[in-house]
Amino acid sequence: DSGVTQTPKHLITATGQRVTLRCSPRSGDLSVYWYQQSLDQGLQFLIQYYNGEERAKGNILERFSAQQFPDLHSELNLSSLELGDSALYFCASSVAALSGWGYTFGSGTRLTVV
Amino acid sequence: DQQVKQNSPSLSVQEGRISILNCDYTNSMFDYFLWYKKYPAEGPTFLISISSIKDKNEDGRFTVFLNKSAKHLSLHIVPSQPGDSAVYFCAASAANSGYALNFGKGTSLLVTP
Repeated sequence: DSGVTQTPKHLITATGQRVTLRCSPRSGDLSVYWYQQSLDQGLQFLIQYYNGEERAKGNILERFSAQQFPDLHSELNLSSLELGDSALYFCASSVAALSGWGYTFGSGTRLTVV
Repeated sequence: DQQVKQNSPSLSVQEGRISILNCDYTNSMFDYFLWYKKYPAEGPTFLISISSIKDKNEDGRFTVFLNKSAKHLSLHIVPSQPGDSAVYFCAASAANSGYALNFGKGTSLLVTP
């Protein structure tokens, strides 16, 4: 157990639907990162939050959004889902805002869009 | 655009021999490099890192080498063990992009007895 908790572990939904993925960071970590791993891609950085504020943005689609709540857990919202959104979504956390090395990853949420 | 490339999708090595995993990058602003290891159904776990001011970092059986002029890094595992069988991701970050990690597509290492 890495200390980063992601729920649900698996999610199957239909095209056009909206889902919410949840992440609880490791105790004491203020930064949360979201990554997407598709079948033929490496881990693609989506977005980072630090202590409730958006810190950095990567290849996140406009149909996707995220937020970090006062208790530091984060949610990634995916809407108007397409077949190509099927992927593993990882959350990671770290103590600092700028931390290229202190990431701890959760075990991921596998999203299948049918 | 893939800024971090791992051109070998898979590698098979005999137990006790050296495993060498390679990684190339294109962004000269990257100043921190990391290797992560991933088992099935688990998230990636940090293995070893190196900053751009160094050319080598060693941790037990794992050594990472950085060649900045060639924009190339490699991970050496000596001696390789069956438990090392996993997918290895190379990652790089830059201060000017908030240190968000850019990952390669991974190399699947199989260590055979």
